[in-house]
Amino acid sequence: NAGVTQTPKFQVLKTGQSMTLQCAQDMNHNSMYWYRQDPGMGLRLIYYSASEGTTDKGEVPNGYNVSRLNKREFSLRLESAAPSQTSVYFCASSEGGLANYEQYFGPGTRLTVT
Amino acid sequence: AQSVTQLDSQVPVFEEAPVELRCNYSSSVSVYLFWYVQYPNQGLQLLLKYLSGSTLVKGINGFEAEFNKSQTSFHLRKPSVHISDTAEYFCAVSWNTDKLIFGTGTRLQVFP
Repeated sequence: NAGVTQTPKFQVLKTGQSMTLQCAQDMNHNSMYWYRQDPGMGLRLIYYSASEGTTDKGEVPNGYNVSRLNKREFSLRLESAAPSQTSVYFCASSEGGLANYEQYFGPGTRLTVT
Repeated sequence: AQSVTQLDSQVPVFEEAPVELRCNYSSSVSVYLFWYVQYPNQGLQLLLKYLSGSTLVKGINGFEAEFNKSQTSFHLRKPSVHISDTAEYFCAVSWNTDKLIFGTGTRLQVFP
């Protein structure tokens, strides 16, 4: 089992460019999450998908869109990147809809917007 | 608003010494509590969790945590740390919802 995989690992964008971060899990989990991690701020939830076909906003959704392509894949899109989106992005998945289930994290994508 | 507080951003400690990493949260109503660890340049992995039952929870790598409802705390402890425990530790709480709220993290630095 690969667990949760994310691509790319590193990315540098210019302000205004767009990109999609890819995430896939092979654990047959129902729920998937996108977080961003910034120094001194911990992890903040951007969007999540409690089950295939549903997505909901988290704490910091502005400037992002998501697609739950199927049960395995959950992508995060930046339509017009801004320097404030420089961060490390983590995808996670869990078995159930309620957060009493362990979340499994990918290795992260380090994004720099210049 | 619900919140999770980790007051110590950094905790330096010598190898084989005990350590306690503190976590407080805003309300005790129907909470699920977690500690995650992040080693350098990696994602997070679960150390331990409290869902119900015994208030003392044991996790991996010799860590344990105690749920204290009256003090709304879930402090993480280890009686004797190793160099390999150097990492960032995150407390996370769910109030019976489908989302976790994370604390800001505590960087544990173990010195030889």
